[in-house]
Amino acid sequence: DVKVTQSSRYLVKRTGEKVFLECVQDMDHENMFWYRQDPGLGLRLIYFSYDVKMKEKGDIPEGYSVSREKKERFSLILESASTNQTSMYLCASSLWERGYTFGSGTRLTVV
Amino acid sequence: SQQGEEDPQALSIQEGENATMNCSYKTSINNLQWYRQNSGRGLVHLILIRSNEREKHSGRLRVTLDTSKKSSSLLITASRAADTASYFCARQVNSGGSNYKLTFGKGTLLTVNP
Repeated sequence: DVKVTQSSRYLVKRTGEKVFLECVQDMDHENMFWYRQDPGLGLRLIYFSYDVKMKEKGDIPEGYSVSREKKERFSLILESASTNQTSMYLCASSLWERGYTFGSGTRLTVV
Repeated sequence: SQQGEEDPQALSIQEGENATMNCSYKTSINNLQWYRQNSGRGLVHLILIRSNEREKHSGRLRVTLDTSKKSSSLLITASRAADTASYFCARQVNSGGSNYKLTFGKGTLLTVNP
C-alpha cells in the first residue's frame, strides 16, 4: 500500500517563525496536496502540485508557500507563522482521478 | 458553496444497525468519493463512484449517486463500534488541468454504541 509520511505528528512554533512541514510519499504519485482541517470548517485546500516544480494555489494559499523539488516530497512552508495558522495539516497524494492517500497529519500550534 | 455537504452532521446508532449518511453538491462532478477519519488521524479513502455510475459496493459499504439530484448516500450495514469515525464526501470536478482536485464537505460524525 502507498504510504504518505508527514515528518511531525505534533509541532509547537512561535509567532513569526518560519515553519516547514514535510510530506513524503512512496508510490510515485503525480499529485500531492496540502489541506488544513479546522473544527466546523472541514478540510480546505492550501496548495497542490501535479508534477515536480509545479504548484497551484488552492482555496486558502495566503500565508503559505510550497516546494516540490522531487516527485516524492512536497513541503508546506509557513513564511511567518501566526496564531491563526494553528491547525491540523494533512498531506495527501494520488494518481489521476483516483482516491487520495492521506498522511496521519501534523497538529501545529503557533503560540 | 461548492463543497459537498453531508447530512446529518452527527449520527448515533447502536451496534448492528445500519447507518446512512447523505451528501449534496451544487455543480457537476467527475466523481464523488467517501472518506473516513478516526479521531485526530488522517483520512482513509473508502470508495469512489464515477458520475456515470449509480451504485457501488465495498464490503459493508454501499454508495449511491444521483446526478440529477446532485446527491450521494453512504450506507454502512451491520455497524460496529469500530465504525465510529467522521465520514466525509468529496467531489472531484472535471475542470481541465485541475480536474484531480477534491473539495470536501464538513463531515458526518458517526457514533456506534456497543
